[in-house]
Amino acid sequence: ETGVTQSPTHLIKTRGQQVTLRCSSQSGHNTVSWYQQALGQGPQFIFQYYREEENGRGNFPPRFSGLQFPNYSSELNVNALELDDSALYLCASSLVLRNYGYTFGSGTRLTVV
Amino acid sequence: AQKITQTQPGMFVQEKEAVTLDCTYDTSDPSYGLFWYKQPSSGEMIFLIYQGSYDQQNATEGRYSLNFQKARKSANLVISASQLGDSAMYFCAMRTYEANNLFFGTGTRLTVIP
Repeated sequence: ETGVTQSPTHLIKTRGQQVTLRCSSQSGHNTVSWYQQALGQGPQFIFQYYREEENGRGNFPPRFSGLQFPNYSSELNVNALELDDSALYLCASSLVLRNYGYTFGSGTRLTVV
Repeated sequence: AQKITQTQPGMFVQEKEAVTLDCTYDTSDPSYGLFWYKQPSSGEMIFLIYQGSYDQQNATEGRYSLNFQKARKSANLVISASQLGDSAMYFCAMRTYEANNLFFGTGTRLTVIP
């Protein structure tokens, strides 16, 4: 079975721009969560998608938005990028909504200049 | 509110020795799970071990064991027979039954010395 795949692996954007990050969940997993990990910190929960609906959100502003597609893949969109958005963005998939078996991808490292 | 505390920013261990990484947690939810993840420099979070709040026995997975002391709200990770490849960041995380996400600590950087 394939694991979680994220693209791109690295990205450099200018402040004020918009960015889209992509995640393909592990085969058979229908729940996708996104996390932001700033340098030297633990990951922080952004939001989760289940059956194409947002199902839980952390303390992030509305300019962080997402989508989940019928094949359970997902996108994270960030508008009006700020310097503090520079971080590693991790995607995690799981089988059902309250399952404890999370599988993480290798992340997208976003640098905002 | 949930909280995970890892008080050791960095730890060193001699190869083949055992090491304990500390983690304390706080939650009012009686149903929760505790996780340990390893994060090498590549960035991927690698699942190591899981302990449920109602599990009677401490979890073990190969060289990893979790020292779960519920009354003290601690969930320390013990790595036996350390290997050079164990050098990485280690994160303790918790998920409660009511929440849909993992809460992570700030991590401990483990360095294994040859």
